[in-house]
Order: sequence, then C-alpha cells, then structure tokens
Amino acid sequence: GENVEQHPSTLSVQEGDSAVIKCTYSDSASNYFPWYKQELGKGPQLIIDIRSNVGEKKDQRIAVTLNKTAKHFSLHITETQPEDSAVYFCAASIQGGSYIPTFGRGTSLIVHP
Amino acid sequence: KAGVTQTPRYLIKTRGQQVTLSCSPISGHRSVSWYQQTPGQGLQFLFEYFSETQRNKGNFPGRFSGRQFSNSRSEMNVSTLELGDSALYLCASSPSSGGSTDTQYFGPGTRLTVL
Repeated sequence: GENVEQHPSTLSVQEGDSAVIKCTYSDSASNYFPWYKQELGKGPQLIIDIRSNVGEKKDQRIAVTLNKTAKHFSLHITETQPEDSAVYFCAASIQGGSYIPTFGRGTSLIVHP
Repeated sequence: KAGVTQTPRYLIKTRGQQVTLSCSPISGHRSVSWYQQTPGQGLQFLFEYFSETQRNKGNFPGRFSGRQFSNSRSEMNVSTLELGDSALYLCASSPSSGGSTDTQYFGPGTRLTVL
C-alpha cells in the first residue's frame, strides 16, 4: 500500500520567516495530494491541494509543489504569522477511485512572535 | 452552509463497553469517512460510506463498524472497548460521488477516553 513520510515533525520559525514541510510518497499511482491544518481542539482543515497534472499551486502565502518523478511534494508558507501555528498534515491518494487516503504523521509548526 | 458536526464531542467509557458516535455531513454531501487519530499512529482511515453502503474499509478489527442513513448522516460503533481505542475520532464528508479521495471536510471530532 501507499506510504507517506513527512518531515520535519517539528518546525520552529520566527514570525515573518518562511516554512517548508516536505512529504514523500511511495505509490506512483497517487494523483491527489491535499494539505491539512489542524489547530488545537479542531478537526483538520483543507488549506491547499494539488493534482498530479500540476507542478505548483499558490494561494496567497501558501504554495505547494509536486515532483512526480521523485515522488515528493512540499508545502511552503511565506511571511509566517503566529496564527499559522498548528499541526500540518500531508496526504496522498488516487482521486476518482476507491483508494484509501494515506496521511503523513504531521508537522507541528510553531511561529514565534 | 453548516460544517460537519459530530456528537458527542467528549466521551468517557470503561473497558468492555460499547460506544456509538454520530456524524452529520455538510448538506448535500453524500460520502462520509471516519478516521481515528492518535499520537502514536497518526490519522488512520476506518471506513467510508456512500449512499448507505460501505465503500472502503481500513485495517481495523470487526469491533469497529458503521452505517449511513438515507439522509447521509452516519454513525460508527465500537464494541468491547479497549484502552487502545482512546483517540480522537474524526468524520469527514465529501461533496461528490468520487470516493473518499475527493476533497474532504472534517468535523471537530469526538474525543473518546477508555478507562
């Protein structure tokens, strides 16, 4: 089955710095890669996603890049703010099929004011 | 539009008991998935229901079961609770019929503690 590795497990940055979280996946058939943000006491919230026919996607301060050949994708957050502090999860799955999504173990991002 | 709602939010049970958790998806969403989240194992897929039928199932024992009603609301049941079942149980709904891989919207979860 699919295996998703996520690094780092903890990331501490100063406000205004950039943060990068990386994930690798094992199944070359995976074609849908969402990122979720989970704040304390809440469920994960989708923040951005990318499909395998796209190499990069941006949404304001957030961007995701995908390298299908290397089977890795990354989340980039620029100009970090204290409210970005949360746990971020990546996932990989096959969209449109009956395929179980596999999640990374999560990255705890801490943004210091 | 109201988000995914889960009840109850917190639950304390003892070993051997059973528990039923409820999930109401976003209006119009027909797919409901359940996940178990623990510090040790992370987010693990339990099962997915679509049109009252279980369409996908994760690698959990038969003590974990679920169902979906005609209004898309879903329940999951855990029988003969074990200490290791203590976790945050998350429900997620999807808008279309494309399976559990479509964009999912999560509820706040039910925190289950087994004593």
